[in-house]
Amino acid sequence: SAVISQKPSRDICQRGTSLTIQCQVDSQVTMMFWYRQQPGQSLTLIATANQGSEATYESGFVIDKFPISRPNLTFSTLTVSNMSPEDSSIYLCSVRGGNGYTFGSGTRLTVV
Amino acid sequence: SQQGEEDPQALSIQEGENATMNCSYKTSINNLQWYRQNSGRGLVHLILIRSNEREKHSGRLRVTLDTSKKSSSLLITASRAADTASYFCATENTGTASKLTFGTGTRLQVTL
Repeated sequence: SAVISQKPSRDICQRGTSLTIQCQVDSQVTMMFWYRQQPGQSLTLIATANQGSEATYESGFVIDKFPISRPNLTFSTLTVSNMSPEDSSIYLCSVRGGNGYTFGSGTRLTVV
Repeated sequence: SQQGEEDPQALSIQEGENATMNCSYKTSINNLQWYRQNSGRGLVHLILIRSNEREKHSGRLRVTLDTSKKSSSLLITASRAADTASYFCATENTGTASKLTFGTGTRLQVTL
């Protein structure tokens, strides 16, 4: 199965600023997925990132708030823009393998 | 939005005992998967069961699927302290693009 390197692992940010999270996969994949996990909650899909096209966002998530880049088949970034304390969460990227999904180790974001 | 409801929300057992977690979902699925998450880190894929399968084993894990009841269970036998984690069921649903919809999760605590 694929190996994903996600960074940063954690950050503390001031409200109103933006943070870009990176995921690097060790193999080429068509789709990459970005999730948010709010404190004590389950995972919610933010968007699906395809190389060469705009990301597909789930209900409740918009491109202006969570812009995504997918410049090639092994890399993607998610930006959390104009952050507020409500954005404090764990953000995870994921790719689909042959028998399930592989996840990055997550980015724990705290907005103060 | 979350599809799966998991039961119980939290479970505390002693080492050597068995742990059973249940998951219910709402729509037609292609498969159901179980994941483990240690201390808010990345998720680890445990097992996938397809909609035409009723039971699957992997080491100390046993998963059942009842599509008529839209439910699944995960049994961990002879639990160990290292099994302490959150466990999530997730479904890939029929008729949608490849993506996972997660359940609410069960927090398992295994004490010595």
